[in-house]
Amino acid sequence: EPEVTQTPSHQVTQMGQEVILRCVPISNHLYFYWYRQILGQKVEFLVSFYNNEISEKSEIFDDQFSVERPDGSNFTLKIRSTKLEDSAMYFCASSDPSLAGPSTDTQYFGPGTRLTVL
Amino acid sequence: SQQGEEDPQALSIQEGENATMNCSYKTSINNLQWYRQNSGRGLVHLILIRSNEREKHSGRLRVTLDTSKKSSSLLITASRAADTASYFCATGNYGQNFVFGPGTRLSVLP
Repeated sequence: EPEVTQTPSHQVTQMGQEVILRCVPISNHLYFYWYRQILGQKVEFLVSFYNNEISEKSEIFDDQFSVERPDGSNFTLKIRSTKLEDSAMYFCASSDPSLAGPSTDTQYFGPGTRLTVL
Repeated sequence: SQQGEEDPQALSIQEGENATMNCSYKTSINNLQWYRQNSGRGLVHLILIRSNEREKHSGRLRVTLDTSKKSSSLLITASRAADTASYFCATGNYGQNFVFGPGTRLSVLP
């Protein structure tokens, strides 16, 4: 069964450093998402991406974040200058195309990348 | 904004018993989804129920949706130790991002 994959599974970085989290969505999906989950808290939406552009983003997704689909298979989240509070699990998700829009379909999540900022 | 809120926050039952978790939300939705998360792991999609559906089954899972009360319930029958996890509801509506609730932590004791 196709699945979303993410690398690395765990990333440790120093405060102020840049990190890139990588995701390979399910191959025929066209909508892509990033979420984060701070330890012990709820899953929070960061950004959705469709047709090579951001379709929606939350307040959390400020100028230090960016997303990119550098090729036909990868979807990346870059954090330019990490802060201690960026420590969290970051989940990538993807969903089938739908005439009704991305939030009407099942989103399939990857296993997550645990980011630790020291 | 629409928001799923699960209750109870934590639930502890014996193996073989049924577990019921509830989710409430605030605004109109197109669909509601339930996810499971094992400790420190990713989110596993369990079931999606659309706003025009009232009940849906998948194996030992039964989900109901009451749009008039803006609530949903997830029933796990004949629970197993492997069902121990956190369960989240997430609401979706066209043009808006999914919103997850804080989750219910289910412990199934052998």
